[in-house]
Amino acid sequence: DTGVSQDPRHKITKRGQNVTFRCDPISEHNRLYWYRQTLGQGPEFLTYFQNEAQLEKSRLLSDRFSAERPKGSFSTLEIQRTEQGDSAMYLCASSPHANTGELFFGEGSRLTVL
Amino acid sequence: DAKTTQPPSMDCAEGRAANLPCNHSTISGNEYVYWYRQIHSQGPQYIIHGLKNNETNEMASLIITEDRKSSTLILPHATLRDTAVYYCIVGNGGSQGNLIFGKGTKLSVKP
Repeated sequence: DTGVSQDPRHKITKRGQNVTFRCDPISEHNRLYWYRQTLGQGPEFLTYFQNEAQLEKSRLLSDRFSAERPKGSFSTLEIQRTEQGDSAMYLCASSPHANTGELFFGEGSRLTVL
Repeated sequence: DAKTTQPPSMDCAEGRAANLPCNHSTISGNEYVYWYRQIHSQGPQYIIHGLKNNETNEMASLIITEDRKSSTLILPHATLRDTAVYYCIVGNGGSQGNLIFGKGTKLSVKP
């Protein structure tokens, strides 16, 4: 499968713990996006990278959240000191540099904070 | 906030055309109209996009009004597998970094 891959697919953690999600984009895609989706809502933009540069961050990305894409390939999204309000689906998407607005999404990583 | 307005839900009979409306009265001249859909428990899937002209691909047709203030996504022969949430998004994916999703329209295709 050469689509966007996310790991883990599901994560249950206790409040206050740190969690990390990984996203492997489609190999030739320069752009990588993170979105968050809660029940009944559309995906909310968090941040995006072009190669290894983080070009935009949403105000939703509090200081407990950090995203990296160190070599311009895979990306990680870390949430420190998780809160129950962080429970959501975290979606990763990628697109080629010559972006026409067609984003290719992964299946998402579902986080449950107890 | 999303720049589009969509009905929260619609029903369609299997085999019939599904016509999903979207209002985007504040669209700018360089902004495209994008449609995505999200089947339950999956990531969103790109369907189609357009600027001014009507567009068609293997999945759907997109009809954009002449003033560009509204559009309609047409699924010509809806199947049960087309049951999903459909998002209409306005943006400029080429230069802006992200697309802003609203709540979309929940389309239920019924036998």
